[in-house]
Amino acid sequence: KAGVTQTPRYLIKTRGQQVTLSCSPISGHRSVSWYQQTPGQGLQFLFEYFSETQRNKGNFPGRFSGRQFSNSRSEMNVSTLELGDSALYLCASSPSTSGGADTQYFGPGTRLTVL
Amino acid sequence: AQSVAQPEDQVNVAEGNPLTVKCTYSVSGNPYLFWYVQYPNRGLQFLLKYITGDNLVKGSYGFEAEFNKSQTSFHLKKPSALVSDSALYFCAFRSYNFNKFYFGSGTKLNVKP
Repeated sequence: KAGVTQTPRYLIKTRGQQVTLSCSPISGHRSVSWYQQTPGQGLQFLFEYFSETQRNKGNFPGRFSGRQFSNSRSEMNVSTLELGDSALYLCASSPSTSGGADTQYFGPGTRLTVL
Repeated sequence: AQSVAQPEDQVNVAEGNPLTVKCTYSVSGNPYLFWYVQYPNRGLQFLLKYITGDNLVKGSYGFEAEFNKSQTSFHLKKPSALVSDSALYFCAFRSYNFNKFYFGSGTKLNVKP
């Protein structure tokens, strides 16, 4: 099975712009989660989508949003970019069939640099 | 608040020696605990998980972890370290309510030849 794919792998944007990141989960996986990874804050949970609905949300401002399509692919959008948004954004998918015991499988990430 | 902690920012070990990367947890109920590894500029790779049952969990690449309920720990171990094991290791737990993972701060493992 193909793994989780994320596009693009690298992005450079300027402050004030907006950006959309894409994630394709492992085939058959219905849950997609997004994380932000920075050296200072570590791995922080952004949100999780299941069956096109946001099921969980972390503590991020409303500039961060996402959606999931009927084929389980997900996009994440960040509007009005700030310098502090520079990070590695990771997407993870899981089958979401066995509740808490599900393993999340991560994509390679999108490295976003805001200038 | 529920959390996992990795008390060591960095662990140094010589190739061929056993390695331990520590993780402690503060989770109510029965925890679901995970270990992931991250190589530079890569995503996280799943190593192993504890759900229930045998306290010694075996995972990928020769790694194993011991769940200790009395000490609330889930330390990652390997009998003989390889230079290629050098990476960033994350302990995580999964909340009971659906798909929210909480990650530790990460431990950088350096294996010297």
